[in-house]
Amino acid sequence: GAVVSQHPSRVICKSGTSVKIECRSLDFQATTMFWYRQFPKKSLMLMATSNEGSKATYEQGVEKDKFLINHASLTLSTLTVTSAHPEDSSFYICSAHARAPRTDTQYFGPGTRLTVL
Amino acid sequence: AQSVTQPDIHITVSEGASLELRCNYSYGATPYLFWYVQSPGQGLQLLLKYFSGDTLVQGIKGFEAEFKRSQSSFNLRKPSVHWSDAAEYFCAVGATSGGYNKLIFGAGTRLAVHP
Repeated sequence: GAVVSQHPSRVICKSGTSVKIECRSLDFQATTMFWYRQFPKKSLMLMATSNEGSKATYEQGVEKDKFLINHASLTLSTLTVTSAHPEDSSFYICSAHARAPRTDTQYFGPGTRLTVL
Repeated sequence: AQSVTQPDIHITVSEGASLELRCNYSYGATPYLFWYVQSPGQGLQLLLKYFSGDTLVQGIKGFEAEFKRSQSSFNLRKPSVHWSDAAEYFCAVGATSGGYNKLIFGAGTRLAVHP
């Protein structure tokens, strides 16, 4: 149980285009999803917390107009990188919290490798 | 502020040898502590977690970790390492913010296993 999927697993796009990444909890309902960014050989940096039916909460220094997050249902959150530039190239990972977030665990998706040319 | 320190960036062990990966945390309240493993180009897999109770926690793949409040540590151990254990290991602390548990990760320890 507790499977989280991400789509696509890998995407290459041209500079200036927008890219949407989907995160789905396959066998549980996730009231909260988290989006992380991981630079090569670095740790995960939390970008934002996505709550079902409400606006996402962004970490300090993360541009909310650049990284649009939508959590439309209890099993789906999307991250859209708008007007992508080469510096946005990174590994993006989502995680999902089951209900009772104070005690439950975050389950991670397999990640999406974004390359902006 | 909450933080996690993994002092060892890179560790190499021989297959069959024992392993200990260090993790120290800084958190004002009782922490929720986690160890995750990441294979190259993959997401994170939960190895084990500590919320309360017994301070020695058993996880998957033969891993265990011990919570030591006096040392603010949560070190990961395995008695005999397998070649397939080569990966990046992340320690994390759950920090409550706005009613939700955010995870704060350490920098990670890359484990290499020699045959």
